[in-house]
Amino acid sequence: IAGITQAPTSQILAAGRRMTLRCTQDMRHNAMYWYRQDLGLGLRLIHYSNTAGTTGKGEVPDGYSVSRANTDDFPLTLASAVPSQTSVYFCASSEREHGELFFGEGSRLTVL
Amino acid sequence: GQNIDQPTEMTATEGAIVQINCTYQTSGFNGLFWYQQHAGEAPTFLSYNVLDGLEEKGRFSSFLSRSKGYSYLLLKELQMKDSASYLCAVRDNDYKLSFGAGTTVTVRA
Repeated sequence: IAGITQAPTSQILAAGRRMTLRCTQDMRHNAMYWYRQDLGLGLRLIHYSNTAGTTGKGEVPDGYSVSRANTDDFPLTLASAVPSQTSVYFCASSEREHGELFFGEGSRLTVL
Repeated sequence: GQNIDQPTEMTATEGAIVQINCTYQTSGFNGLFWYQQHAGEAPTFLSYNVLDGLEEKGRFSSFLSRSKGYSYLLLKELQMKDSASYLCAVRDNDYKLSFGAGTTVTVRA
C-alpha cells in the first residue's frame, strides 16, 4: 500500500541522548516535511525539503536536523534530546505543484 | 510568517450544520487547506481553495475570501464520526503549509 511510513511509532528517551526518527514514502513525491504537534499549538513545521538534495528550516528548527539523500527518505535527528522535545512528530509529503499533504501515522516521543 | 486563527472548540447535534471559521494574515498566499484529524490519528485532507468562492464536496464545503483573509468549513448533516479536530492551513509561495491550532468539534446525539 502506497504511503508514508514512520518509525518508531513510540519512543521514550533519556535527555541528552541522540535520536533519529525515520520517514519513508513510496509515492515519489518531491516535497517532504517534518511537523511536531503539541496540545494547543497545532502542527508546527520543523524542517522541509522541496526536492532530494535540498532542505530548509521551518518555524521551529532548533535542536533538529534533517537530510534528504534521495527522494524516498527524510530522517529527522535530535542530536541531544531535551524534555521540551516531547511531542508527536508527523512526517508528510506532497507533490510540489498541488500541495496536498499526505501524513504518516506519527511518532510519539517522550524525553525524560 | 503566517498567523492563522480558528475557534478552539465547537459542539453540535447529530444531523445539524456547523461552520468553522478561519482567519489568516500571511506574508504570501498560495492556497488554503482544511484537514480532519481524529484523536490519535494522522491528519487527512478535506479540501483546498485557491480562488475565492465555495468548493463543495459531499457533506463538506469550504469557502475562501482572499481579500478578507477568511475561510470557513461547513459540515452538513453531522454524524457522530465527524467528531474530530479540523485544521485550517495556509500554503505560502514556497509551498510550505502553516497550520492553525485546530478546532475540536464534538457531535452529540
